[in-house]
Amino acid sequence: NAGVTQTPKFQVLKTGQSMTLQCAQDMNHNSMYWYRQDPGMGLRLIYYSASEGTTDKGEVPNGYNVSRLNKREFSLRLESAAPSQTSVYFCASSRQGLEDTQYFGPGTRLTVL
Amino acid sequence: EDQVTQSPEALRLQEGESSSLNCSYTVSGLRGLFWYRQDPGKGPEFLFTLYSAGEEKEKERLKATLTKKESFLHITAPKPEDSATYLCAVGVYGGSQGNLIFGKGTKLSVKP
Repeated sequence: NAGVTQTPKFQVLKTGQSMTLQCAQDMNHNSMYWYRQDPGMGLRLIYYSASEGTTDKGEVPNGYNVSRLNKREFSLRLESAAPSQTSVYFCASSRQGLEDTQYFGPGTRLTVL
Repeated sequence: EDQVTQSPEALRLQEGESSSLNCSYTVSGLRGLFWYRQDPGKGPEFLFTLYSAGEEKEKERLKATLTKKESFLHITAPKPEDSATYLCAVGVYGGSQGNLIFGKGTKLSVKP
């Protein structure tokens, strides 16, 4: 099993450009999450999907949109990138919903110039 | 507001020198405390989950304990390969910041 996979691993954007970060899990998990990690700060939740067909905002949702494409895939979209969105983005999944252990992907390092 | 504080921010040990990392928390409704290990350039790797005060879990040189206000990650006779950042996260019910609140981590360096 690959666990949680993310693409791309690295990305450089110019201010105002858009892009989609892809995440997939092969553990048959119900819930999926998007976090960002910035120096000197803990991981912060952007959006999550408790189950297929549902999405909810986390702590820092502004400037992002998400799509739960199916049970395996959860994408994060930046419509108009800003330098403040320079960060490392992690996708995670958990088996039985929001109270279960979350397993993380390898991350996407995004730089917005 | 729910808060998780880890100390120290950084810890340097000699190989074989045992120590402890601290995670203190203030949350409205605890549903579990999670420890992760994160290597540079990689995602957090799950280590332990603790659910109630007095609970302990062990894995190789690591032992996690939980009280009502804090958790400790004890590292016994560490090796250089234990060098990493250790993250503590607290699961909360209905938190406005999300269901898993992370501390900022403790960066552990173990020198041979």
